[in-house]
Amino acid sequence: GQQLNQSPQSMFIQEGEDVSMNCTSSSIFNTWLWYKQDPGEGPVLLIALYKAGELTSNGRLTAQFGITRKDSFLNISASIPSDVGIYFCAGQLRVRRDDKIIFGKGTRLHILP
Amino acid sequence: NAGVTQTPKFQVLKTGQSMTLQCAQDMNHNSMYWYRQDPGMGLRLIYYSASEGTTDKGEVPNGYNVSRLNKREFSLRLESAAPSQTSVYFCASKKPSADTQYFGPGTRLTVL
Repeated sequence: GQQLNQSPQSMFIQEGEDVSMNCTSSSIFNTWLWYKQDPGEGPVLLIALYKAGELTSNGRLTAQFGITRKDSFLNISASIPSDVGIYFCAGQLRVRRDDKIIFGKGTRLHILP
Repeated sequence: NAGVTQTPKFQVLKTGQSMTLQCAQDMNHNSMYWYRQDPGMGLRLIYYSASEGTTDKGEVPNGYNVSRLNKREFSLRLESAAPSQTSVYFCASKKPSADTQYFGPGTRLTVL
């Protein structure tokens, strides 16, 4: 089945540093999604990408849809304490009635005091 | 407008017991999903329902059954719980052809 490889698994950074994480797949997706999960909550959508090569920003977050349609990147600039959480990439390939979204295993972001 | 609600929030079961996890959404979404989240495994799809009256297996359906009772409600049943089913279960919903899945707060299930 389709699998997403998300890296790194976890990151420990200082407040104010920039963060980069990525996702790769053996399959092509039509849509790439990035979610954030706060402790004890369900994931919340941060950014959606629809076209190969697309670069989209949401505040301090920037994400890109890879040219090959098999990868995506998320960058967070000038990290702050509330950025702590788990970040998931997700790929979606809509085929007729099939509307499943496949999630990566997540990147856990820690910010050191 | 409560979004996606799940009950219960926490549950402890003994091996072999059965239970049903409830999920409801008030956003008039057609599609609903059940995921489980385990440490280091991310979110894995158990079952989904593209519309009322239809259900399909996801990545890890074994040991589970689902019912799409109506457009609002999508329940997940464990007929004979096993320790391997200890996990956090999330329900989600979305409109067709939309990307944003709205997640519930989750149910933490422990099977002893």
